[in-house]
Amino acid sequence: NAGVTQTPKFRILKIGQSMTLQCTQDMNHNYMYWYRQDPGMGLKLIYYSVGAGITDKGEVPNGYNVSRSTTEDFPLRLELAAPSQTSVYFCASQDTSNYGYTFGSGTRLTVV
Amino acid sequence: GESVGLHLPTLSVQEGDNSIINCAYSNSASDYFIWYKQESGKGPQFIIDIRSNMDKRQGQRVTVLLNKTVKHLSLQIAATQPGDSAVYFCAETGNTGTYKYIFGTGTRLKVLA
Repeated sequence: NAGVTQTPKFRILKIGQSMTLQCTQDMNHNYMYWYRQDPGMGLKLIYYSVGAGITDKGEVPNGYNVSRSTTEDFPLRLELAAPSQTSVYFCASQDTSNYGYTFGSGTRLTVV
Repeated sequence: GESVGLHLPTLSVQEGDNSIINCAYSNSASDYFIWYKQESGKGPQFIIDIRSNMDKRQGQRVTVLLNKTVKHLSLQIAATQPGDSAVYFCAETGNTGTYKYIFGTGTRLKVLA
């Protein structure tokens, strides 16, 4: 049981480049989330999904897109990378029977 | 707007002493609260949770206290160990009926040998 797996762990992008942050979970959780964490700050919700085919915006969705074609996968897409998107990105899934989140280990993204 | 904040951004504690990390929340409709621990370079890990119909809950070496009157949450760690050094976040559910959490900015706990 791997939990929540995020790839890559680190990435450096140039301004204007695009990339997809991968997130997959093997716990059959319906709810999944993407957060970003800026240095010295808390977690801010980017997008979330309550099940396959259903996604919704969080607090800071601009510059990002998501899709949820399967229960297991919830990729986050950056289309035109900007320096303001330099951050650590965490994916989480949620067992709604007990409210708890399981977080991935994060992706550290630097946009230069 | 809704917010969750912490009183102390950094807390230094002697090894073996008890630690108390505080959190203030603003949404009286929140019905569930969680404390997370985040070690350097890792994702947050669940520590302990509490529902709004409780005022205290104990785990292994940790206790969470909830004071709804003043909208205050605290995490107590007994006999603090070097492995407890991390950033601690509180989170609340915000409006009732949602599973989305609002996270505080975090408190860094430093355990001094």
